[in-house]
Amino acid sequence: EAGVTQSPTHLIKTRGQQATLRCSPISGHTSVYWYQQALGLGLQFLLWYDEGEERNRGNFPPRFSGRQFPNYSSELNVNALELEDSALYLCASSPYFGTSIYNEQFFGPGTRLTVL
Amino acid sequence: DQQVKQNSPSLSVQEGRISILNCDYTNSMFDYFLWYKKYPAEGPTFLISISSIKDKNEDGRFTVFLNKSAKHLSLHIVPSQPGDSAVYFCAASSLSGGYQKVTFGTGTKLQVIP
Repeated sequence: EAGVTQSPTHLIKTRGQQATLRCSPISGHTSVYWYQQALGLGLQFLLWYDEGEERNRGNFPPRFSGRQFPNYSSELNVNALELEDSALYLCASSPYFGTSIYNEQFFGPGTRLTVL
Repeated sequence: DQQVKQNSPSLSVQEGRISILNCDYTNSMFDYFLWYKKYPAEGPTFLISISSIKDKNEDGRFTVFLNKSAKHLSLHIVPSQPGDSAVYFCAASSLSGGYQKVTFGTGTKLQVIP
């Protein structure tokens, strides 16, 4: 069974540009989560999509946005890039949402975004 | 506001000894706790979990203990092996707006010395 895949592996942008990161969940998983891991910090929750809808978002400005497609893959867009957006962006998927106690999330390898 | 805290950024343990990784939380609404392990250049992988109705869960060399009154959980690895060297994230889950929301700690880097 293929795991969560993310593309690209590395992305280099300059300040003010836009970045698009992509994620494909495990087959059968409907929930996709995005996290940011900046240097020295833990995983910061960004966005959560399920069945094509945004279910929740973390404390990030509106220039962080995304969407989930009918095939459950997802895209994270970061507009007006700032230097502090440089981080590892991790995508995770899970088969459940809601009241299930099984909140295990399966993570992709991440996209390393560098903003110059 | 960091609701899940891992106060030790790093830990070194001799091979064969016990590794104890600690995690504290502030939100009493958390009802499920998980530990993830992360190797460099890879995404985190699920390790072990525990429901808030239990105080201990064991899986091979890994045991998670939950002390709800102290809002504290710990991961014990016995015996520690060099392959256990990784960053360990504690995570806690709660219902938020009708949905489960997972909050991660900042991670503890474990080094097991051969």
